[in-house]
Amino acid sequence: SQQGEEDPQALSIQEGENATMNCSYKTSINNLQWYRQNSGRGLVHLILIRSNEREKHSGRLRVTLDTSKKSSSLLITASRAADTASYFCATDALIDSSYKLIFGSGTRLLVRP
Amino acid sequence: EAQVTQNPRYLITVTGKKLTVTCSQNMNHEYMSWYRQDPGLGLRQIYYSMNVEVTDKGDVPEGYKVSRKEKRNFPLILESPSPNQTSLYFCASSFLPGRGTGELFFGEGSRLTVL
Repeated sequence: SQQGEEDPQALSIQEGENATMNCSYKTSINNLQWYRQNSGRGLVHLILIRSNEREKHSGRLRVTLDTSKKSSSLLITASRAADTASYFCATDALIDSSYKLIFGSGTRLLVRP
Repeated sequence: EAQVTQNPRYLITVTGKKLTVTCSQNMNHEYMSWYRQDPGLGLRQIYYSMNVEVTDKGDVPEGYKVSRKEKRNFPLILESPSPNQTSLYFCASSFLPGRGTGELFFGEGSRLTVL
């Protein structure tokens, strides 16, 4: 079963606007990661936030984690057309005595020039 | 350059014809994994390996085999491919932190069509 679920499934914004994507999960996690995928290409790691962290920044990316609500958000500020891609959260959870990284189904972001 | 290399990138084959998708990483990572990506189903793990000679099933292992004889290589074997294995396949690798999983590095993907 899917551990992480992104919301919305698709998002269309104008260049320069901010984009916010959310991820909810079900079980306790060790860390939560965000990845980006350009159409048909391999996923690229964006940021990792540990369960004892609440916020993390990387360039125009800001990730928050609320373990009490079992949710995370990815904010991309001042979006560019080149940010058009699918974004996935992945939760690192202890399942059957080993840690597994489980991916959500992703948010498709379209940034219109 | 640090990378995960998969081959072939594209393959069209017929039902029952054994094939191997190779995966190699040059980062000395302990952990390697195979995923398949299908529309509406996201990324699903097929098999993973924590180190040489250590492999384990993921969520969708049926119809696949793997081996980890060397640290850098983790081939995916389809002994008798079927049309439901038509998919986009990704190999990924990472270091193993003291606890949990680390940042995954992905290959560019192998698009497989089974007729």
